Amino acid sequence: AQTVTQSQPEMSVQEAETVTLSCTYDTSESDYYLFWYKQPPSRQMILVIRQEAYKQQNATENRFSVNFQKAAKSFSLKISDSQLGDAAMYFCAYRSRVNTNAGKSTFGDGTTLTVKP
Amino acid sequence: KAGVTQTPRYLIKTRGQQVTLSCSPISGHRSVSWYQQTPGQGLQFLFEYFSETQRNKGNFPGRFSGRQFSNSRSEMNVSTLELGDSALYLCASLSQVGEAFFGQGTRLTVV
Repeated sequence: AQTVTQSQPEMSVQEAETVTLSCTYDTSESDYYLFWYKQPPSRQMILVIRQEAYKQQNATENRFSVNFQKAAKSFSLKISDSQLGDAAMYFCAYRSRVNTNAGKSTFGDGTTLTVKP
Repeated sequence: KAGVTQTPRYLIKTRGQQVTLSCSPISGHRSVSWYQQTPGQGLQFLFEYFSETQRNKGNFPGRFSGRQFSNSRSEMNVSTLELGDSALYLCASLSQVGEAFFGQGTRLTVV
């Protein structure tokens, strides 16, 4: 079974600074997706960024980028130029690309990010 | 394009009752997954439906069940409610490229 570990329950960052959230995972599969989701107080889970395991290039979405280390099974999220609206709980998630497991995501416990003005 | 719609948003039920939650996925998405989110257990996978068939099931008791209709809308049912079933229930609709889009959730309180 796959597991996802987020070792930082809470992080804080000054507005306009950069912060990195950590995530490690464990799997015996070679083909999978990794995701970062953001859940603000409104509780709506929002997809931040996606990485396919077969791609060596790290995904980037505007101020959000990842550092994907497949051999180390590490998948960190970097938020640059942090904004007050980035304050939320962030979840790292794993999903297999094996068809029978494709609909199941495994989530970490989350990291609460506080942005200080 | 409309997002994932979950109804109702809030629900209060009494122990022993049953409840049905509904999820309408994004148009064209055939996979719907359900998750339970609690402060103590985090996000736990309940089950996934694809083209009206349950394709995957999490480690929950048989009181938790679901189904999917031909229009991809899904329902989940919890029978004989327990206090511990109080949670935010999230539904996700899966795109063909593997992205999960979540609804706003149903907050269930069991008293």
